This record gives sequence, structure tokens and C-alpha cells, in this order.
Amino acid sequence: KAGVTQTPRYLIKTRGQQVTLSCSPISGHRSVSWYQQTPGQGLQFLFEYFSETQRNKGNFPGRFSGRQFSNSRSEMNVSTLELGDSALYLCASSTAGASNQPQHFGDGTRLSIL
Amino acid sequence: EDQVTQSPEALRLQEGESSSLNCSYTVSGLRGLFWYRQDPGKGPEFLFTLYSAGEEKEKERLKATLTKKESFLHITAPKPEDSATYLCAVQGGYNNNDMRFGAGTRLTVKP
Repeated sequence: KAGVTQTPRYLIKTRGQQVTLSCSPISGHRSVSWYQQTPGQGLQFLFEYFSETQRNKGNFPGRFSGRQFSNSRSEMNVSTLELGDSALYLCASSTAGASNQPQHFGDGTRLSIL
Repeated sequence: EDQVTQSPEALRLQEGESSSLNCSYTVSGLRGLFWYRQDPGKGPEFLFTLYSAGEEKEKERLKATLTKKESFLHITAPKPEDSATYLCAVQGGYNNNDMRFGAGTRLTVKP
């Protein structure tokens, strides 16, 4: 069974640009969550999508947005990039049922802002 | 506010030297406590889920336990390949599906 796939693996952008990251969840998983990981802040929750609807949202500015498609694939968009947005962005998927099911992570997209 | 604190931040062990990692948490209505392992350049890899105090889970050299305030990850006779960062996360609250992660414990096992 294929795991969570994130593309691209690496991305370099400049301040002010925008970026879109992609995530394909494990087959059959309908919940997709996004996290930002930095050395200083650790893993921080961005948002969760389930059946194309944002079900939960972390404490990030509106420049961070996402969406989920009918096949459960998800995209995350960051507009007006800032230097502080440099991080590893991780996507995780879980089954549709009880919310206390484990999340399975992809290997992330490493975003560097110049 | 929900909080997860892991200790120690870093741990160096000799191969075969058993030890424990700690995860202390405060959350209203715990629905699950999760342990993950993360290798450099990789995403976290799921290890265990614990749901209620007194529960224990084992996998190879790892054993996770849970009380009402903390969880321990016991590593028995570790090998160099056990070197990684171990992350603890909790899921709780009443309308909240997100997981709150601790900062992790960086484990190094020397041969």
C-alpha cells in the first residue's frame, strides 16, 4: 500500500511570491492534515480537511490556505511568502472514522525562502 | 491550553543500555496519545497509540505506557538503528481533531 506522497520535495522561492504544495493521501484515507515543522517551533498544526471541507484550523495567518479534492488529494497554498515561512511542510492522512486514529505522514516539502 | 512536554531534549546511550523517554501532557478530554519516530529528512513514522491510563503497547525493543499525566517510551537494549527523534503527540478537546506535538527527544545510540 503506497504511503502519503508529497510534491515537490524541495522548493526555493523569494519573498512576496506564492507557492502551492501537493499531498496525495494513503488510498482510502479521507482526512488530510497539514503541519509546519521548524527547529524553533517544532511541529505545528495548520489545518485539517475531510470530505473537501476544512474541519479544523490552527493558529496561522490567512496567507496559509488549503483545499481538498473529491479524490481526497489536498493542496496547501501560501501567499506573499515571508522569510519565516521557511520550513518543512508535512502532510498526514488518516481514516475517515473516529478522530483519534493515528495520522500517517509523508516525507514533506522543504520550502526555503530567499 | 493543551501542552505536551518531552524530556530529555537529547539522550545519548551505549548500545544495550536501556532507558526511558518521558512525555508529560495537559489536555482536556484526552482522546489519544501518539508516539512517532522521525529520522533526518523524513516525515514522522507512526509507532503507537494509547487511549487510556494503564494501557501499554510493545513493538520490538520499544514499549509505551500511559498514565493520566504522562507517557513513557521505554527502550530496551537499544541498537544504533534506534537513533532518531522520538515525538509524542496528544489529541483531545471536544471539537478538535488536531494533534499537539511535543518538541521531541533526540536519541543517539553509540555502538
